[in-house]
Amino acid sequence: AQSVTQPDIHITVSEGASLELRCNYSYGATPYLFWYVQSPGQGLQLLLKYFSGDTLVQGIKGFEAEFKRSQSSFNLRKPSVHWSDAAEYFCAVGPSNTGKLIFGQGTTLQVKP
Amino acid sequence: NAGVTQTPKFQVLKTGQSMTLQCAQDMNHEYMSWYRQDPGMGLRLIHYSVGAGITDQGEVPNGYNVSRSTTEDFPLRLLSAAPSQTSVYFCASSPSVGVHEQYFGPGTRLTVT
Repeated sequence: AQSVTQPDIHITVSEGASLELRCNYSYGATPYLFWYVQSPGQGLQLLLKYFSGDTLVQGIKGFEAEFKRSQSSFNLRKPSVHWSDAAEYFCAVGPSNTGKLIFGQGTTLQVKP
Repeated sequence: NAGVTQTPKFQVLKTGQSMTLQCAQDMNHEYMSWYRQDPGMGLRLIHYSVGAGITDQGEVPNGYNVSRSTTEDFPLRLLSAAPSQTSVYFCASSPSVGVHEQYFGPGTRLTVT
């Protein structure tokens, strides 16, 4: 079955430290992969996406993610976290031809001053 | 260009009551969908539509009905609300079923007592 796993429910980092949020997926073919961010009380905003091509993708707000087919992973990274990055982050995979997205459980990021 | 709008933002229902959550988009997107968000479970797809007059079930459709009479609107109906439907509901749209980047509305927080 198609699924997305985000192993870390909560992560706390200090402001200015680097960040990596993990995402693993299970899918039978090449997936479409996404990272979304949700600030408290808000909807979801797309950070970045991978469809094909270069496996390192750049997104908004200084985020990047790397697609590793051999590990079925699509981890999100940021070299230096800002207090405004505190939010919930969702990894999602989109099966082809249906438009459906399957979401991971989410990772809540807390940023310490 | 308002994007995806949802009304109401908050709603409290008693068990057995019915209501309709409204969703509208002004981007002329073909694809629209409804998700529910519950703690620790990410977002789960309820129903989706690939165009006016066409709807299909997602992974958690029971207790919900949808229709798509126009490209712009995609209301979600709860016919007889149950406490298990307490959740945050998000509507999303994308240009077509083959384009998997989805734009999300701000959400409706529903409580069923």
